[in-house]
Amino acid sequence: DQQVKQNSPSLSVQEGRISILNCDYTNSMFDYFLWYKKYPAEGPTFLISISSIKDKNEDGRFTVFLNKSAKHLSLHIVPSQPGDSAVYFCAPGGGGSEKLVFGKGTKLTVNP
Amino acid sequence: DAGVIQSPRHEVTEMGQEVTLRCKPISGHDYLFWYRQTMMRGLELLIYFNNNVPIDDSGMPEDRFSAKMPNASFSTLKIQPSEPRDSAVYFCASSTSGTLGPQHFGDGTRLSIL
Repeated sequence: DQQVKQNSPSLSVQEGRISILNCDYTNSMFDYFLWYKKYPAEGPTFLISISSIKDKNEDGRFTVFLNKSAKHLSLHIVPSQPGDSAVYFCAPGGGGSEKLVFGKGTKLTVNP
Repeated sequence: DAGVIQSPRHEVTEMGQEVTLRCKPISGHDYLFWYRQTMMRGLELLIYFNNNVPIDDSGMPEDRFSAKMPNASFSTLKIQPSEPRDSAVYFCASSTSGTLGPQHFGDGTRLSIL
């Protein structure tokens, strides 16, 4: 039973447009939420995080939104660039689970 | 700055053989994690250490898997005997931010058991 679901295995957007990656979770106790980016043949790299006391966190072109009542978070990338093409993982944790639980990822392709 | 270093990058071996994966964490990091990534199950935490002590090995699939951290700069994940279903990419990660903060991943070991 998946605790974390990234329902879109892939997403394709044009350069300069917004990319929106979604993540749903079932454990209402999660209180830390991280996003990682992964290029082929490399390990995941940390991108941005948010704690449950906030509903938005912004870092440059990347913004994460958290909707606790819906148990949903999203990552917005604007404007999207070809170098953003990668697999993106959401990874919530905390609230009694002292381990991050990774989603299966969404492959983002940004077309020039 | 050197990141997390894993070796080997690729390993191909026959079932029944012993496999040892190695990891050098970032200097000064007190948490070390071993993950396994497969198509079916995604990225799963196998075990993590804090200050060289194993804290939670509940993700280790079975007794064929073992992990050690003899000092702060080295860890191994061993599979003995290996089976084809162990084929996966194994990642090591380290952190100074506990288990819920950002982790720094190595580039992984792609393991193929024939």
